[in-house]
Amino acid sequence: QQQVKQSPQSLIVQKGGISIINCAYENTAFDYFPWYQQFPGKGPALLIAIRPDVSEKKEGRFTISFNKSAKQFSLHIMDSQPGDSATYFCAASKTGRRALTFGSGTRLQVQP
Amino acid sequence: GAGVSQTPSNKVTEKGKYVELRCDPISGHTALYWYRQSLGQGPEFLIYFQGTGAADDSGLPNDRFFAVRPEGSVSTLKIQRTERGDSAVYLCASSVGQGAGELFFGEGSRLTVL
Repeated sequence: QQQVKQSPQSLIVQKGGISIINCAYENTAFDYFPWYQQFPGKGPALLIAIRPDVSEKKEGRFTISFNKSAKQFSLHIMDSQPGDSATYFCAASKTGRRALTFGSGTRLQVQP
Repeated sequence: GAGVSQTPSNKVTEKGKYVELRCDPISGHTALYWYRQSLGQGPEFLIYFQGTGAADDSGLPNDRFFAVRPEGSVSTLKIQRTERGDSAVYLCASSVGQGAGELFFGEGSRLTVL
């Protein structure tokens, strides 16, 4: 059972554009939603995270939008740069269980 | 370095062999996790340690997989009678404290079973 569905699988954006990646979850007990960034040959690294008590969180060029009723959340990368080219994973976990459930990933390519 | 260290970075073995993968977490991190990442997929949870004990091993796929953390620091993931389907990158992560928070991942151990 895929508890976190991520789309698109791949994304090509021009430099300066906005990258948008979407995730949907099934388990309403999830209460922590991080996004991880992974470069080839490296482990994932935390980018930004949100809890369901807020609808949006912004850190620099990265914004998470959260829609609790729709059980969806998305990552927006403003002014996308070639250095943002990586694979992005959404994830979710619930209180009392530390294990993160990851989405299948989005490979982002920002063209110069 | 101060990050999570995993060894070996690459391991090639034959079907049926025994394999050990080692993880050295960030100093002071009490929580340690093992994940498995297949090509083109997101990391899949295997096991979580809080201190020396396995607090959640629900992700281990079968009894061929076992992990230990005897002194609450370094952990070893052990795979018996390896199968070709075990081929993947095995990621270790550590974190501070007991609540949900940032996981610091190592670069992984790539296991290839021929």
